[in-house]
Amino acid sequence: DIVMTQSPDSLAVSLGERATIKCKSSQSVLSSSRNYLAWYQQKPGQPPKLLIYWASTRESGVPDRFSGSGSGTDFTLTISSLQAEDVAFYYCQHYYDTPLTFGGGTKVEIK
Amino acid sequence: EVHLVESGGGLVQPGGSLRISCAASGFSFGDHYMDWVRQAPGKGLEWVGRSRKKANSYSTECAASVKGRFTISRDESKNSLYLQMNSLRTDDTGVYYCASGPIGSHDYWGQGTLVTVSS
Repeated sequence: DIVMTQSPDSLAVSLGERATIKCKSSQSVLSSSRNYLAWYQQKPGQPPKLLIYWASTRESGVPDRFSGSGSGTDFTLTISSLQAEDVAFYYCQHYYDTPLTFGGGTKVEIK
Repeated sequence: EVHLVESGGGLVQPGGSLRISCAASGFSFGDHYMDWVRQAPGKGLEWVGRSRKKANSYSTECAASVKGRFTISRDESKNSLYLQMNSLRTDDTGVYYCASGPIGSHDYWGQGTLVTVSS
């Protein structure tokens, strides 16, 4: 099984500042020039919401302050200018093959 | 607009059984992977299992943690996904989400149904 390791577990960022979350997979999720890696945002009491797929493609309607990068085994989610509504948990996930696995999650708060 | 609506959750005793359902609408049912994902109280997300697309004969697979106890099925005529859960344990407690997407990621999520396994 592919193990997804996220860091940090939590971070506090000032409004308007950059937030960076890392995700590392135990084996490459790259195939046919596509990285099978997604990022999700989950707010309390709500289901997760897809932010990014193919590691760097923003889902329709997602603000452009969210961006994804990386390839192979190392990936990053960046929130370029943190807004109050971005307070949430963030999860990476591979969909390279079954079993799908998620990272442990990162809690983003306002400093 | 895509809608996924779960139902059937509730309280069940350890060793018991429960079947939860997910009614789908707003997309071509056979063109999406349909998954179950669960979340224990205060914990992260865990993939439970998958029903692949019609082109893959709706084949199913479950996570090792539930294999042999849980079964996934899909009814094309009702645009519905099911999760039959047998031999339930206390650590199966959590919110069970139905999630779907055409490429394997979870583009769409239901609101979830709570399953509580307790005596």
